[in-house]
Amino acid sequence: KAGVTQTPRYLIKTRGQQVTLSCSPISGHRSVSWYQQTPGQGLQFLFEYFSETQRNKGNFPGRFSGRQFSNSRSEMNVSTLELGDSALYLCASSLGRGNTEAFFGQGTRLTVV
Amino acid sequence: LAKTTQPISMDSYEGQEVNITCSHNNIATNDYITWYQQFPSQGPRFIIQGYKTKVTNEVASLFIPADRKSSTLSLPRVSLSDTAVYYCLVGGWGSQGNLIFGKGTKLSVKP
Repeated sequence: KAGVTQTPRYLIKTRGQQVTLSCSPISGHRSVSWYQQTPGQGLQFLFEYFSETQRNKGNFPGRFSGRQFSNSRSEMNVSTLELGDSALYLCASSLGRGNTEAFFGQGTRLTVV
Repeated sequence: LAKTTQPISMDSYEGQEVNITCSHNNIATNDYITWYQQFPSQGPRFIIQGYKTKVTNEVASLFIPADRKSSTLSLPRVSLSDTAVYYCLVGGWGSQGNLIFGKGTKLSVKP
């Protein structure tokens, strides 16, 4: 079956702009989580959506938001981009119940200039 | 979620067995232990998960002592392609959507 698909793979934006990243989970998976990875902070949890509802949220400012659609696809939005938002943004999908593994996409590399 | 402590880096040679130990002193009764592998510029990949004693799959073994305050990931006969960062995570039932990653262990396999 197809894996987790993230688009776009690479993105360059200017400070102050906003950006939307997309994630298509594995078919049948209802949980989608987003993570930010930087060399300095490592992998940090942003938020999780399950059946279109935000179920968990990490410690990020309100500029970071997300949503999930009825087909479980998810989008993440970052407004008023800052240089420090440059990172690899990873999406993970899972069944969302029990203790099943999470499957990660290849990520979107965002560069803010 | 329980905090984990792992060595920052490890070196090995091809064909050797590698054991990476993770400390999780505050693990809760319902927490599972999960290991992920990550290559540069890719998302982490699930390796193995366990609750107690020993778990083995086609790529690794996971050893968990009775007190569950630590765990050891064992990679048999590593190859160059096993060079990656390995993360140990602990979490309870249904927590796979909210994973707390530590710094991980950077394993370097040399020829």
